[in-house]
Amino acid sequence: DADVTQTPRNRITKTGKRIMLECSQTKGHDRMYWYRQDPGLGLRLIYYSFDVKDINKGEISDGYSVSRQAQAKFSLSLESAIPNQTALYFCATSDGGAGANVLTFGAGSRLTVL
Amino acid sequence: AQSVTQPDIHITVSEGASLELRCNYSYGATPYLFWYVQSPGQGLQLLLKYFSGDTLVQGIKGFEAEFKRSQSSFNLRKPSVHWSDAAEYFCAGLYSGAGSYQLTFGKGTKLSVIP
Repeated sequence: DADVTQTPRNRITKTGKRIMLECSQTKGHDRMYWYRQDPGLGLRLIYYSFDVKDINKGEISDGYSVSRQAQAKFSLSLESAIPNQTALYFCATSDGGAGANVLTFGAGSRLTVL
Repeated sequence: AQSVTQPDIHITVSEGASLELRCNYSYGATPYLFWYVQSPGQGLQLLLKYFSGDTLVQGIKGFEAEFKRSQSSFNLRKPSVHWSDAAEYFCAGLYSGAGSYQLTFGKGTKLSVIP
């Protein structure tokens, strides 16, 4: 099994629908992140969490919310999806020690909003 | 503001040729620097990182990178490219200041390899 698992891997939805992307990890890492990847724009940070009680906005948090249900689970929600949220979404983890700045990525969730 | 720039959007090399992917950073202080690789349909995988010390760092898959403070660069190199190296490569920088977490990615360089 993958260290960082994202579900669903692919999702097509309509404008205005609520969508949740889920991420679970078996790394035992405290820190979890959600990134968005768009062609030609690289990766941009949406939200991050350094522990279960810690949630922080990233560069592009508008239109998104997150929930850290447990150390191993971090979900991303789009309350009312819009077409410009069509993108590839990545969950990542890192530990809080010497490797705090090295990310382990999931395989990605491709979201299409029609 | 912190930024990471990858000047080349797409590079094509022949298999067996040498490779250099460019990365420039703009920070107030020396950031932590990383190179990640993304194969088609996959997440990103860390190739190598620079935190401090020796400015030439070795990574996985035969890659290396050299930190040059005078040029604000952290270029990725490989002496002989293999067809399996075709992927997208991302440089990233993390400012080691206080407060918020700011890992900034470049926009990526797509590498194509001609057999």
